[in-house]
Amino acid sequence: GAGVSQSPRYKVAKRGQDVALRCDPISGHVSLFWYQQALGQGPEFLTYFQNEAQLDKSGLPSDRFFAERPEGSVSTLKIQRTQQEDSAVYLCASSPSSASGRYEQYFGPGTRLTVT
Amino acid sequence: GDSVTQMEGPVTLSEEAFLTINCTYTATGYPSLFWYVQYPGEGLQLLLKATKADDKGSNKGFEATYRKETTSFHLEKGSVQVSDSAVYFCALSDTNAGKSTFGDGTTLTVKP
Repeated sequence: GAGVSQSPRYKVAKRGQDVALRCDPISGHVSLFWYQQALGQGPEFLTYFQNEAQLDKSGLPSDRFFAERPEGSVSTLKIQRTQQEDSAVYLCASSPSSASGRYEQYFGPGTRLTVT
Repeated sequence: GDSVTQMEGPVTLSEEAFLTINCTYTATGYPSLFWYVQYPGEGLQLLLKATKADDKGSNKGFEATYRKETTSFHLEKGSVQVSDSAVYFCALSDTNAGKSTFGDGTTLTVKP
């Protein structure tokens, strides 16, 4: 079946531009996560949705980062006024349960963002 | 806050060698523990998990036991294959909040 998909797979942005990264989770999955992965490091949590509700956004590094999931399925991570330190791979993951701590997360292939 | 510390890599082994990748964690509650694997050119995928103390997760010949007393979840495999070459991530998940905390990954290369 279809897994988690993300688009675009690669994005090059000039410093100061706004970008929007899309995530299509596995159909029916309640929980959706965004992570940021710098080169050579593990994924770092950004934000978490349960259906359309954003329950945790404690990992968003600044107010330039904004995420939404308006209908409880597709999610968009938006970064305004991109900076070079935003260059990373952005991973989306979904999980079938609201008690998602006990369940695995299914990861998409990621979007590699390069800010020049 | 929660944290995960993994054995630094890279790790290079010959085929059929024994593998151990160490992972220790710090958490305030009773997390679930996971090993994820990322094969070249692919996304992260679950390798195995354990949700409570003394549980053993296993898959594809890999094993890890949830040791609360030593706050560890070491990954082992008795005989590695070239196809096991990948990056391995240890992670914990807060049972209530759901978000996962990852280690920095260990790159394993298995040579024929």
